[in-house]
Amino acid sequence: DTAVSQTPKYLVTQMGNDKSIKCEQNLGHDTMYWYKQDSKKFLKIMFSYNNKELIINETVPNRFSPKSPDKAHLNLHINSLELGDSAVYFCASSQFKGAGNTIYFGEGSWLTVV
Amino acid sequence: EDQVTQSPEALRLQEGESSSLNCSYTVSGLRGLFWYRQDPGKGPEFLFTLYSAGEEKEKERLKATLTKKESFLHITAPKPEDSATYLCAVYNTDKLIFGTGTRLQVFP
Repeated sequence: DTAVSQTPKYLVTQMGNDKSIKCEQNLGHDTMYWYKQDSKKFLKIMFSYNNKELIINETVPNRFSPKSPDKAHLNLHINSLELGDSAVYFCASSQFKGAGNTIYFGEGSWLTVV
Repeated sequence: EDQVTQSPEALRLQEGESSSLNCSYTVSGLRGLFWYRQDPGKGPEFLFTLYSAGEEKEKERLKATLTKKESFLHITAPKPEDSATYLCAVYNTDKLIFGTGTRLQVFP
């Protein structure tokens, strides 16, 4: 049983395209996240939702738009893709929002923009 | 500014050669220090949480310790399957912020 699953795992697309990454968690958690890991392996938070409500919105271009249809799903849509968007995007979840909670990660989605 | 610094960046060990990884942090009000393991092509896998200075946690060949300024991940008699990147993280208010990791390679 995969706790946090995201699709697709690999995505190669051209500049200017729009793409989406889907994420689902079956842990019954209230809070979900999107993290970005760059080429230097630095992992940084982008967004967080708690029970479908956006609670963390880091300094991310507005070409990135998260959507949470329910608390088990958090999708990431990216418009007008740029070369610099190439990275690994991790979906994650925690039981509750706020400091101290353990965050569990999915396997990642490798995005390459050419 | 809250931050997390890990050292060394990379560590090569012979199988059975024990060593330690360091995670130094500056944060106003520690709300947990987290250790994760990340294998190539995979997501970070949770290992430990430490909440207060003096706390220790163990799992197989790994032992994590915490002081007021840093945490150590001790690896005793490592095996090749322990090869991975080890990440530590702390909460900055409600955001979990990560260090850049230590890439560990254990050779037979």
